Amino acid sequence: DAGITQSPRYKITETGRQVTLMCHQTWSHSYMFWYRQDLGHGLRLIYYSAAADITDKGEVPDGYVVSRSKTENFPLTLESATRSQTSVYFCASSDRLAGRQETQYFGPGTRLLVL
Amino acid sequence: AQSVAQPEDQVNVAEGNPLTVKCTYSVSGNPYLFWYVQYPNRGLQFLLKYITGDNLVKGSYGFEAEFNKSQTSFHLKKPSALVSDSALYFCAVEGNNRLAFGKGNQVVVIP
Repeated sequence: DAGITQSPRYKITETGRQVTLMCHQTWSHSYMFWYRQDLGHGLRLIYYSAAADITDKGEVPDGYVVSRSKTENFPLTLESATRSQTSVYFCASSDRLAGRQETQYFGPGTRLLVL
Repeated sequence: AQSVAQPEDQVNVAEGNPLTVKCTYSVSGNPYLFWYVQYPNRGLQFLLKYITGDNLVKGSYGFEAEFNKSQTSFHLKKPSALVSDSALYFCAVEGNNRLAFGKGNQVVVIP
């Protein structure tokens, strides 16, 4: 009954380190998304996935890598973290109906600080 | 590409007064429109959506939204605001397999 979960909830790391943020959903939704939220920018889409093994870039993909080997998991990796990647990261999932996106449901977020 | 605009950064309203949060959209074809609310240190929560049918859509927590095709607007409304409605509100429009979100409106309900 967890819905969509993210881990860790808080992370502090140093510039240049690799960081992986996890996202897990229990609804078997086909679509999953990663956003970052920054003051003055609202929500910006980093990557999304339409199904297992299908991913695509969003607005701000540089410096991030995603994979989706299983429908329920969608990890986001910062290969070499930079201070500009300090942000709050949200994962979301949704289904598609009649060729249109349905409601997206969001996880609780991960607060990442890059020193 | 689809987009939404939320023209006001912050909306202040006295408790008990009507609350309106404005949103205009731009999209090709029939719009799917959404409103979300975000409380401090929480993820976004779905409030309501317009897909088709009645222009007045009712959602959670007493909120409703009015779809106006001629004005390309989808304003969120609540007849009587509560202090607990103080939060960040996002409008979104669907297109190209994704949602495009506005920058959000901070709503402050003053006791």
